[in-house]
Amino acid sequence: AQKITQTQPGMFVQEKEAVTLDCTYDTSDQSYGLFWYKQPSSGEMIFLIYQGSYDEQNATEGRYSLNFQKARKSANLVISASQLGDSAMYFCAMRAGAGSYQLTFGKGTKLSVIP
Amino acid sequence: GAVVSQHPSRVICKSGTSVKIECRSLDFQATTMFWYRQFPKQSLMLMATSNEGSKATYEQGVEKDKFLINHASLTLSTLTVTSAHPEDSSFYICSAMGTGVNSPLHFGNGTRLTVT
Repeated sequence: AQKITQTQPGMFVQEKEAVTLDCTYDTSDQSYGLFWYKQPSSGEMIFLIYQGSYDEQNATEGRYSLNFQKARKSANLVISASQLGDSAMYFCAMRAGAGSYQLTFGKGTKLSVIP
Repeated sequence: GAVVSQHPSRVICKSGTSVKIECRSLDFQATTMFWYRQFPKQSLMLMATSNEGSKATYEQGVEKDKFLINHASLTLSTLTVTSAHPEDSSFYICSAMGTGVNSPLHFGNGTRLTVT
């Protein structure tokens, strides 16, 4: 079974500062993918970034980067130069197992950006 | 990018009635769609996997007779909440996978169901 753990229910960050949202995972599969989604108060789920278990480089997408530490089973999201529009819930998710397409989600972290 | 349209975005119904929620992939074909449920301030919980042309696969604890899923075409899956009760009030959100094994799930905007 797969498990995603996000230990930070809420985080605050000053505008223009960087923030790290923690995510650890547990799976017995060797091949897996890790995803981060943003959910604003309106409810839609916005895909941010993906990291494959065999990817040697940390994924980056604009202001988002993923600090992937495979031995520690962590996949932290780093948001640089925070903006007010970054205030939202952030979910870490994992897809694991051959032929599996569903995602297992963590409990989420509510990020609040302070002006 | 891949777009998933979900309708309606918000619905209020009376106890005992049924509500149908539609999920469409607009610019790609989705052989598999997923239905999630989200309670306030909680994470997304997978309800069922919807497969085009075959029966849906339900997660443990999800009543298949209550949450009817139909995936009649490569671009449309529907979730019908039958004989709705107030405890069915929740945020329901569908998703579809893009092409490629590493593709993310693309989500609809969700449906907020309130049963009175």
